[in-house]
Amino acid sequence: SQQGEEDPQALSIQEGENATMNCSYKTSINNLQWYRQNSGRGLVHLILIRSNEREKHSGRLRVTLDTSKKSSSLLITASRAADTASYFCATDPIQGAQKLVFGQGTRLTINP
Amino acid sequence: GAGVSQSPSNKVTEKGKDVELRCDPISGHTALYWYRQSLGQGLEFLIYFQGNSAPDKSGLPSDRFSAERTGGSVSTLTIQRTQQEDSAVYLCASSFLAGELFFGEGSRLTVL
Repeated sequence: SQQGEEDPQALSIQEGENATMNCSYKTSINNLQWYRQNSGRGLVHLILIRSNEREKHSGRLRVTLDTSKKSSSLLITASRAADTASYFCATDPIQGAQKLVFGQGTRLTINP
Repeated sequence: GAGVSQSPSNKVTEKGKDVELRCDPISGHTALYWYRQSLGQGLEFLIYFQGNSAPDKSGLPSDRFSAERTGGSVSTLTIQRTQQEDSAVYLCASSFLAGELFFGEGSRLTVL
């Protein structure tokens, strides 16, 4: 089954609220990355967290990683309408070839 | 160019025809990936090139799909005898070693 799985599949909140998305994975990883996709085209890298890190911040983004639970969360604070997009987590597994495995994504809608 | 370039951006073809999709990665990036994304779905890994190593073809869905990377740079994904289920957005990404991926805008393939 899919290495990275995001939860929820869809999230709709009001502008200004915080949005939290979760990602679970199955095998040990070197790092975990979050990407954003607008309009079903190219993805844009948001943040990378290594397996020995527990939390990382970038602007309004906060990512946590719990390797014991094989899970990560992406928090977007003070959401804006422009944050409306799909968000994907991607894991770099230790075993096997170095290729990123993507989850199914969370569709985030920010209502003005 | 500064980013990953893919062509064509849109391709409409008839069932049974062959198609070629091109990806021009960022100069100096050693790794190149092809993913496929069906409407509203996650990214499905197809193939991965890393330097001069043998490509990881484990994601190619059938022997109608093939890809090559010439001179460690430009890559071409070829789909022979296209079927309607091949309709999707084909995304190419490149990276330096195992770092963040830089995606192109994708090639949207429609098989009639």
